[in-house]
Amino acid sequence: ETGVTQSPTHLIKTRGQQVTLRCSSQSGHNTVSWYQQALGQGPQFIFQYYREEENGRGNFPPRFSGLQFPNYSSELNVNALELDDSALYLCASSLAGGGSPLHFGNGTRLTVT
Amino acid sequence: RKEVEQDPGPFNVPEGATVAFNCTYSNSASQSFFWYRQDCRKEPKLLMSVYSSGNEDGRFTAQLNRASQYISLLIRDSKLSDSATYLCVVNPPGSARQLTFGSGTQLTVLP
Repeated sequence: ETGVTQSPTHLIKTRGQQVTLRCSSQSGHNTVSWYQQALGQGPQFIFQYYREEENGRGNFPPRFSGLQFPNYSSELNVNALELDDSALYLCASSLAGGGSPLHFGNGTRLTVT
Repeated sequence: RKEVEQDPGPFNVPEGATVAFNCTYSNSASQSFFWYRQDCRKEPKLLMSVYSSGNEDGRFTAQLNRASQYISLLIRDSKLSDSATYLCVVNPPGSARQLTFGSGTQLTVLP
């Protein structure tokens, strides 16, 4: 069974730039969620995708956007990067439905300078 | 008020000690509850789900008190490998798989 994989592992960007983070979900999982984890904090929900459509969104501005592809992999795009966007970005996959646990990828550590 | 609140610690305990973490949540209609473990600079990993009847997995025991909106995790016979941050996690109603995480409680088990 292939787990959740994310790329890249680390990334350094300049304020104002745009970034795309990628995630391959665990085999058989059709739901992908993205979380942002700032240093010393718990992960914060950004949004979730199910069957290629956004299925819920947290308190993040529109410059955070995403996609899910037919193979259930996903992208997180952030435009007009701000210094406060520096964080660990976590992708998690699961089966649809309330009972199944989330399986997280290793994350992408984004630094905005 | 934060949706999920935890004591950030740190908790520094000797090997073999028993340690308990507490967590409160604000949405009384929440349905699913979990404890995740996160090692330094790693991703969170599911430790255990929390059920109303309480549940145990080896040295770990989780309890849920819906009336008080309170969740606990008890670790018995602490091992050095238990050193990590423990995240209390709640699934609010009407939000399939959109988990709300606490800020985490840091545990260090000392030799």
